[in-house]
Order: sequence, then structure tokens, then C-alpha cells
Amino acid sequence: EAAVTQSPRNKVAVTGGKVTLSCNQTNNHNNMYWYRQDTGHGLRLIHYSYGAGSTEKGDIPDGYKASRPSQENFSLILELATPSQTSVYFCASGPGTGQDTQYFGPGTRLLVL
Amino acid sequence: GDSVTQTEGPVTVSESESLIINCTYSATSIAYPNLFWYVRYPGEGLQLLLKVITAGQKGSSRGFEATYNKETTSFHLQKASVQESDSAVYYCALGISGGSNYKLTFGKGTLLTVTP
Repeated sequence: EAAVTQSPRNKVAVTGGKVTLSCNQTNNHNNMYWYRQDTGHGLRLIHYSYGAGSTEKGDIPDGYKASRPSQENFSLILELATPSQTSVYFCASGPGTGQDTQYFGPGTRLLVL
Repeated sequence: GDSVTQTEGPVTVSESESLIINCTYSATSIAYPNLFWYVRYPGEGLQLLLKVITAGQKGSSRGFEATYNKETTSFHLQKASVQESDSAVYYCALGISGGSNYKLTFGKGTLLTVTP
């Protein structure tokens, strides 16, 4: 079974502060993804990565940066957090080579005050 | 662009009753996308429930079934007899391959509550 972990699981941040959400996968998957989930919306893709050193913009990248320092780790960075970024964030990994199934972490609940 | 529309929740069903959660899709970038149902149990991340990659075929898992219907562009999720443990949020999704990135487009999710 795929193993994707996220930290922290819950985070309270102040407006204008910097927030880093971390994701680790032990599946040796090439691709990793960051989504956010809000009431009334499906999961929306923020950033993704094809492998270490690569980051790509997803559908809603504004206000977010991403970093993929290694095959296993993928971070989402909010340089200047805003209340509109209050959400649940999911990380996922996927093989990216003929297989489009994605494996998800448990989510991080972020509250920006 | 690609989109997925599914039953607006919340949906409440009594234990042992039948369930259907509707899902229709629109895929503009590919004729026959891969179709998925994911489930999110309370406090957990999304888990793959079932996946079908060939139009006309049916997928099944844990008593749930969904048939890929390309004529009606639908992928409805059904279960003949639900249990309390099926209470969760269900997401329909389609998969598109764009180069080496395999992007998933999700519906809004349907919250299912099964009452005893």
C-alpha cells in the first residue's frame, strides 16, 4: 500500500506569516501533487512535480510556491498567508509512467487568522 | 476544460438500503479518459475505491460498482446494500495524461451518511 504522510496535520497561522506544509512519500513515485479542498469545490490542483528539482503550476498556483528537494519530499509554501488560504490541503503521489492512480496523504487542515 | 459533476450532498441512506451517486463527465482533451471513484473516510486521506479505463466496462470494490458509459458520459456509483461503515465523502474523478503528468479532475464530492 502506498504511503504518503503530511505534516503538520493541523496548523493555525497569522495573516502575512509564512507557512510550510510538508509531504513525504515512500513509494518511489516520480510525480507528486498538492491539492486544496474547500466546501463546494472538488480537489483543486495547486502545484505538481515530475521528480526531484521540478515543480509545475497547477490550476490555482497564485499565492503558493512548491519545492521538491528529493524524490520523497514535496513542500507547499505560503510566503504571505491570507485568510482565503484557509483550507484542507492534500498531498498525493503517483507513478507518472502509464499509471494515473494517485495516492493521497491524510490532509493538513490550515486556518489562517 | 475537463469537468466532473456528481450528486450534490449530503445524502442520507438507511443501513441495508441501496445507494446511487450520480457522476457525469466532460473531457475535452481526450475521447476516453480513465474514470475513478475515490473515498475519504473521516480523518483520513482519499483512497482509491475503483477505477475503470475502458469504456463499457464495470469496476467493483467493497460491494460498490460503477460502469463506464461513454454514450451518456456517466460513471454512476452504486451499492445494493449500504452499511454504516460506508459513511464517507465520495469523489468521482477523471484522469488525463498530459505528457508525463497524469492529471486528475475531481467532482465536488458527495457526503454520504448511513443511518442505523
